[in-house]
Amino acid sequence: DTGVSQNPRHKITKRGQNVTFRCDPISEHNRLYWYRQTLGQGPEFLTYFQNEAQLEKSRLLSDRFSAERPKGSFSTLEIQRTEQGDSAMYLCASSDGQNYGYTFGSGTRLTVV
Amino acid sequence: SQQGEEDPQALSIQEGENATMNCSYKTSINNLQWYRQNSGRGLVHLILIRSNEREKHSGRLRVTLDTSKKSSSLLITASRAADTASYFCAPRGYSTLTFGKGTMLLVSP
Repeated sequence: DTGVSQNPRHKITKRGQNVTFRCDPISEHNRLYWYRQTLGQGPEFLTYFQNEAQLEKSRLLSDRFSAERPKGSFSTLEIQRTEQGDSAMYLCASSDGQNYGYTFGSGTRLTVV
Repeated sequence: SQQGEEDPQALSIQEGENATMNCSYKTSINNLQWYRQNSGRGLVHLILIRSNEREKHSGRLRVTLDTSKKSSSLLITASRAADTASYFCAPRGYSTLTFGKGTMLLVSP
């Protein structure tokens, strides 16, 4: 297992288009998290899955954002009708429980033009 | 909020010197974690200290935790240029991790 994998690494899209990112967590980890990070800021929490159940969603996750984790394995994050303000690094992380650290992927950098 | 606040925001030192970063938080915690982020990359978990621990070591890292003051510190000894990165603390209660703006550490050769 090579850690948390995120695809694509970079995505440039035109405003108004839909985009989808994928995250493959460490296979033994049942918890999966999505964060968004803009320049000079720390990662902001978006949503959390335990197995296939989405247990927590941030208010940052507007109705244009949707995340899924079918079968409790990989996860997808979709942004509909992208806006320039969606430009950011989208980070995925997984963990094995509350008393363990998170393993982060390298992120997907989204640029909306 | 469980979010930690790191101090200083930026720190510039020479190779071989020690670097100390501080973290303050506001709520009760189960543990507190420190992460490193190199420019444009994901975060890397460095160390986790539980609420009943006061000090923990890992290689050149030393973390302290004072739950009465709701504060933690990360000491990097004998710093190297490769330690140049942003460092984040993450106090963990019963919810997911939240992050502050971090401390940006620059280690010059």
